[in-house]
Amino acid sequence: EAGVAQSPRYKIIEKRQSVAFWCNPISGHATLYWYQQILGQGPKLLIQFQNNGVVDDSQLPKDRFSAERLKGVDSTLKIQPAKLEDSAVYLCASRRPSSYEQYFGPGTRLTVT
Amino acid sequence: KQEVTQIPAALSVPEGENLVLNCSFTDSAIYNLQWFRQDPGKGLTSLLLIQSSQREQTSGRLNASLDKSSGRSTLYIAASQPGDSATYLCAVRADYKLSFGAGTTVTVRA
Repeated sequence: EAGVAQSPRYKIIEKRQSVAFWCNPISGHATLYWYQQILGQGPKLLIQFQNNGVVDDSQLPKDRFSAERLKGVDSTLKIQPAKLEDSAVYLCASRRPSSYEQYFGPGTRLTVT
Repeated sequence: KQEVTQIPAALSVPEGENLVLNCSFTDSAIYNLQWFRQDPGKGLTSLLLIQSSQREQTSGRLNASLDKSSGRSTLYIAASQPGDSATYLCAVRADYKLSFGAGTTVTVRA
């Protein structure tokens, strides 16, 4: 089966600009996650979707970050406006309903200058 | 709040040596613990998942143990190879969330 797809793979923007990342989970995976991984740290959960509903967004900086999962398939994560500390790899993961195992995409590396 | 710690942060060994990677966590009320591998520029690949009721899991040259009461897990990689060079992360699941450690970066020298 095809894996989790993410785009773009790399993005460089200036602070105060906006950026959007896209994720296409594995077919049939109802649960979708967005993680932020800062260099030298483990991934931190930003938001979890179950189909097109938000399950957990407690660690999402809602003043600048937003995410949506229309139709319960693809998802978009947006940052507006970006700050220097948003430089990180943004990972998308998905999971089928009957399993605990999460499958991760290759990530998008964001550099904010 | 669950805190996951991995020590050492980096490790370099000659080819053929056995690897021992450590993971500790503060809250023993977990559902399971998972070990991942991350290659540069890539996402995470699941290696082993240990349920809270299990003591260990094995897959090929990999063996992971879990001591839930003491909040520790160890990943053993036997007879290391240069292809094992990567960052290894452990993650614990509680309340349907994964909490990750910062990882141990392993270099296997040919």
